[in-house]
Amino acid sequence: GAVVSQHPSRVICKSGTSVKIECRSLDFQATTMFWYRQFPKQSLMLMATSNEGSKATYEQGVEKDKFLINHASLTLSTLTVTSAHPEDSSFYICSAGDRAGGRETQYFGPGTRLLVL
Amino acid sequence: AQSVTQPDIHITVSEGASLELRCNYSYGATPYLFWYVQSPGQGLQLLLKYFSGDTLVQGIKGFEAEFKRSQSSFNLRKPSVHWSDAAEYFCAVGSSFGNEKLTFGTGTRLTIIP
Repeated sequence: GAVVSQHPSRVICKSGTSVKIECRSLDFQATTMFWYRQFPKQSLMLMATSNEGSKATYEQGVEKDKFLINHASLTLSTLTVTSAHPEDSSFYICSAGDRAGGRETQYFGPGTRLLVL
Repeated sequence: AQSVTQPDIHITVSEGASLELRCNYSYGATPYLFWYVQSPGQGLQLLLKYFSGDTLVQGIKGFEAEFKRSQSSFNLRKPSVHWSDAAEYFCAVGSSFGNEKLTFGTGTRLTIIP
């Protein structure tokens, strides 16, 4: 149980284009999903918290117009990197919060490797 | 603000040897604690978690961790490592008050030698 998928696993795009990444909880409903960014050999940096049916909460320093988040259902959140530039190249990981047992546990997707040329 | 320290950036152990990965946290109340493992190019897999109750928690793949409030620690242990345990290990602390965000440590890379 508690499986989270991400699509695509890898994407290469040209500078200036937009890229959408999907995060799905496959066997549970997630009121809250989280988007992280991870640089090589570093820990995870939380970008934003995505709440179903409401606006995402962004961490300090993360541009909300650059990284658009939509959480349209209890099993799907999307991250759109708008007008991507080479500095946006990174490993993006989502997680979904499962409240089974009364306290939330985050389960992570396999990640999306973005390369902007 | 909560924080997590993983003092060891890289640890090398022989296959079959015991393992202990250190994690210290800073949090004003009872923390919620997690250990995740990440293989190269992959997402994070939950190994175990502590919310309350028994301070020795058992996880998957033969791992266990012990919550020691007096030492603000939540060290991960395994009695005998396997080559497949080579990965990056992250300790994380979650707030016990509404905010569900996790704060991660910087990770410990585990290398297994034959």
